[in-house]
Amino acid sequence: NAGVTQTPKFQVLKTGQSMTLQCAQDMNHNSMYWYRQDPGMGLRLIYYSASEGTTDKGEVPNGYNVSRLNKREFSLRLESAAPSQTSVYFCASSTGWVAKNIQYFGAGTRLSVL
Amino acid sequence: EDQVTQSPEALRLQEGESSSLNCSYTVSGLRGLFWYRQDPGKGPEFLFTLYSAGEEKEKERLKATLTKKESFLHITAPKPEDSATYLCAVQRGWGGSNYKLTFGKGTLLTVNP
Repeated sequence: NAGVTQTPKFQVLKTGQSMTLQCAQDMNHNSMYWYRQDPGMGLRLIYYSASEGTTDKGEVPNGYNVSRLNKREFSLRLESAAPSQTSVYFCASSTGWVAKNIQYFGAGTRLSVL
Repeated sequence: EDQVTQSPEALRLQEGESSSLNCSYTVSGLRGLFWYRQDPGKGPEFLFTLYSAGEEKEKERLKATLTKKESFLHITAPKPEDSATYLCAVQRGWGGSNYKLTFGKGTLLTVNP
């Protein structure tokens, strides 16, 4: 049982390059989330998808786009990477029910933008 | 705006020395309070959910409690393997977007042998 799988695990980009972070879950969850984690800032929500076919902005969406490809997959795209986007990115999923909405996290993608 | 404040930022204990971590929160009607454990280089791992004031949950050496303003994570006779960052998060009960979580910055716990 893999849970939430993120690829790649590590990535180094140059300023201005683009890339897509991939996330897939095998728990038949409705909702998926993208967070970034920076030292001293905690986990901050970038985008989320309450259900297949819907996406909404979170706390820090600027510079990112997302695609909910199907129920299992939720990708995060950086169109023109900036050094401020150096961070650890986590994908999470949950049932989507308002009650007992426990989020389960992937292992993260460590991104450096030079 | 929902807010979660965790204290202390860091805590160093000797093996067997019990203590508590605090999570104070402000939220538009609490639907759930969540505790996660995060080891270095890994994603957060779910520990507990608490739904109403007075509720308590236990797992091995950890016990989580909840009041109307804060939650405590009590660690009894900790071992070095309990060393990790502990994260607290809240889910609001109303006002829209009530399936999102707001996280605190975490408490870094180090247990020395």
